Amino acid sequence: DQQVKQNSPSLSVQEGRISILNCDYTNSMFDYFLWYKKYPAEGPTFLISISSIKDKNEDGRFTVFLNKSAKHLSLHIVPSQPGDSAVYFCAASDGANNLFFGTGTRLTIIP
Amino acid sequence: DTGVSQDPRHKITKRGQNVTFRCDPISEHNRLYWYRQTLGQGPEFLTYFQNEAQLEKSRLLSDRFSAERPKGSFSTLEIQRTEQGDSAMYLCASSLLYGNTIYFGEGSWLTVV
Repeated sequence: DQQVKQNSPSLSVQEGRISILNCDYTNSMFDYFLWYKKYPAEGPTFLISISSIKDKNEDGRFTVFLNKSAKHLSLHIVPSQPGDSAVYFCAASDGANNLFFGTGTRLTIIP
Repeated sequence: DTGVSQDPRHKITKRGQNVTFRCDPISEHNRLYWYRQTLGQGPEFLTYFQNEAQLEKSRLLSDRFSAERPKGSFSTLEIQRTEQGDSAMYLCASSLLYGNTIYFGEGSWLTVV
C-alpha cells in the first residue's frame, strides 16, 4: 500500500520557467516531509524539508508547500535550470524511524 | 568528504553466492539505515540502528539478510544465497539521534546473474 504517491512519472519544463512537482499522502500521522533529488546510479540527495506545523518553506530557488487538509505537498523550482534535470522523490516521516517514499518524478529541463 | 560512504559501489554475483556491503555513516550520526531501491520505485526501508542496537527490521528483510553495526560506527549488510530478485541498489543513510533529515550514501548496486 503506497502511502506516498507521486502521480506524475515525468515532467518536462523549459529552462527559466517554474517546475512544479506534486506529492500526495494518505497517512495523517506523517509530520515531516522531505524532497530528495537523485541522479542515475547515485544515492538520493536531500533537497528541502517541511514540518507539518508549517505550510511553506523556502530555500533559494526551491520552495515546498504543504496543504495538510488535502494531504498534498508540492515542490516549486524557479527558475528551472538544466542541472535540475533528475528524478525527484517525495518522502514522509511519521516521527518513527524510517521514511516512506513516493515512486519519483523524472524532471527534464529543456534548454 | 564527510558524507555517507558505501563499498563496493557495484557488485555482480552468481545466484547462490553471499555478498556483503559496507557503510560508513557521517561521523557524528547515531542512527544508520539501510534501504533498497529497485527500478521505478522509491527507496524502501530495510532496517535501522541506533548506535550498535538494531531497533527495527522491515518484513522485506528475509532470513537471508543480516545487518550489523558492531561498534556503533560502520555497518555491514550481508545477503546469503543471493537470488535474482535481490538485484537492486542498496542504500545506506544516517541521521542525528533527534534529527529528522536522513542523508544517503551513493548506494551499492547488486546484480545477481
